[in-house]
Amino acid sequence: GENVEQHPSTLSVQEGDSAVIKCTYSDSASNYFPWYKQELGKRPQLIIDIRSNVGEKKDQRIAVTLNKTAKHFSLHITETQPEDSAVYFCAGLGNDYKLSFGAGTTVTVRA
Amino acid sequence: DTEVTQTPKHLVMGMTNKKSLKCEQHMGHRAMYWYKQKAKKPPELMFVYSYEKLSINESVPSRFSPECPNSSLLNLHLHALQPEDSALYLCASSGAMETQYFGPGTRLLVL
Repeated sequence: GENVEQHPSTLSVQEGDSAVIKCTYSDSASNYFPWYKQELGKRPQLIIDIRSNVGEKKDQRIAVTLNKTAKHFSLHITETQPEDSAVYFCAGLGNDYKLSFGAGTTVTVRA
Repeated sequence: DTEVTQTPKHLVMGMTNKKSLKCEQHMGHRAMYWYKQKAKKPPELMFVYSYEKLSINESVPSRFSPECPNSSLLNLHLHALQPEDSALYLCASSGAMETQYFGPGTRLLVL
């Protein structure tokens, strides 16, 4: 099955700065990579996703890049705001149709 | 509408009790999932139903028993649980595009 590794485990940034979270995956057949944001006590919420036929996708302050050759993908958050503070999980969908999650990154945006 | 609902929000049960968790979606999704999430950890897949049939059981102990009465409903029956089963139980559903949408979860405490 798929194995996803995520770094860093914690990230503290000054408000207005950018945040970058990186993930690697093992299954070259994986073709779908979502990112979830989970605030304390809430559900994981899909914030952006990317499929393997695309190298980059943007949605306002959030962007995801995918390098299929290197088997890694990254989340970029620009102009961070206090409400961006949360745990972020990357994931990859393996050819067994199971979603494998990274260990999570706790992002803290300092005002 | 990307809404998955779950009841109850919170549940406290003793080790000899029998209880059920419920999940509902009206997005026409044909795949539904149960996940278990411990604090500060990613969701762990427990069961997958596809077209109302159990397609994946991640070697979950028999004290957890899933049921899919129809395409919109998913239940998780609990019996003789252990304190280590205390966690957030998340339901999710997905359609043809593979994106999984999570419900708010049931926070379970086993005493």
